Amino acid sequence: DTAVSQTPKYLVTQMGNDKSIKCEQNLGHDTMYWYKQDSKKFLKIMFSYNNKELIINETVPNRFSPKSPDKAHLNLHINSLELGDSAVYFCASGSRYGYTFGSGTRLTVV
Amino acid sequence: GENVEQHPSTLSVQEGDSAVIKCTYSDSASNYFPWYKQELGKGPQLIIDIRSNVGEKKDQRIAVTLNKTAKHFSLHITETQPEDSAVYFCAYVKGGSEKLVFGKGTKLTVNP
Repeated sequence: DTAVSQTPKYLVTQMGNDKSIKCEQNLGHDTMYWYKQDSKKFLKIMFSYNNKELIINETVPNRFSPKSPDKAHLNLHINSLELGDSAVYFCASGSRYGYTFGSGTRLTVV
Repeated sequence: GENVEQHPSTLSVQEGDSAVIKCTYSDSASNYFPWYKQELGKGPQLIIDIRSNVGEKKDQRIAVTLNKTAKHFSLHITETQPEDSAVYFCAYVKGGSEKLVFGKGTKLTVNP
C-alpha cells in the first residue's frame, strides 16, 4: 500500500488554466505538507496543515490555495497557471522528525 | 537566517570508495538534522537523522556526524555501491517551528 499518494503523476497544461493536485496519506499522521522542487532540485516548503488547520504558509502567490478536507488529505489548487509554476510538487506527511514524501507531480505549463 | 549550505553540489566516486557530504547551518536553536536520499523520479526518502544531544550516529554503511559548536553536520557513506547514486539532501528543523529547511542537494554518482 502506498503511504503517501499523489495524483496525477504528470500534468501538462496551458498558461492561464486552473489545475488541482491531490494528495492522500494512510499513515495516520496529523501533519501534511506541500513542497515545490524546481529544475535545480531545490526543495522549498509551500504549506503545512496540522489536522486540517493551516500552520505554515510561505511566501507563495495567492494563486496557490491548499485545501484539507480531513487530516488524511491535502490538495493543492493552482489558478491562472504561469510558465514559472513548472516544477515537481511533492506532498509529504509526518512531523519535523521524519517526513514521508509522495512520488511527486511533475507540472509543465506550456 | 534560514539557510543551510550544502557541499559539494556534485560528487563522483569509484565503487568501494567513501563519500562525504557536508552541511553548515546558522540557526543555533536547531536540534534535529535529517538526511534524505532522492532517487530519479521518486520523492526524497529519510535515510538517517541525528539530534543535537548526539555527536555521531551510524547505520551500516551510513554515518552522520554533528558539530553543534561549529554548526555543521556531515553524511559519510562507506564502501559505496552504484545503487547509492542519487541526490542527497541535508536538512534541519528551524528552531521554534515545524518547518524543515533543506540544503540544495548533492548529486552523488558511484561509478562501477
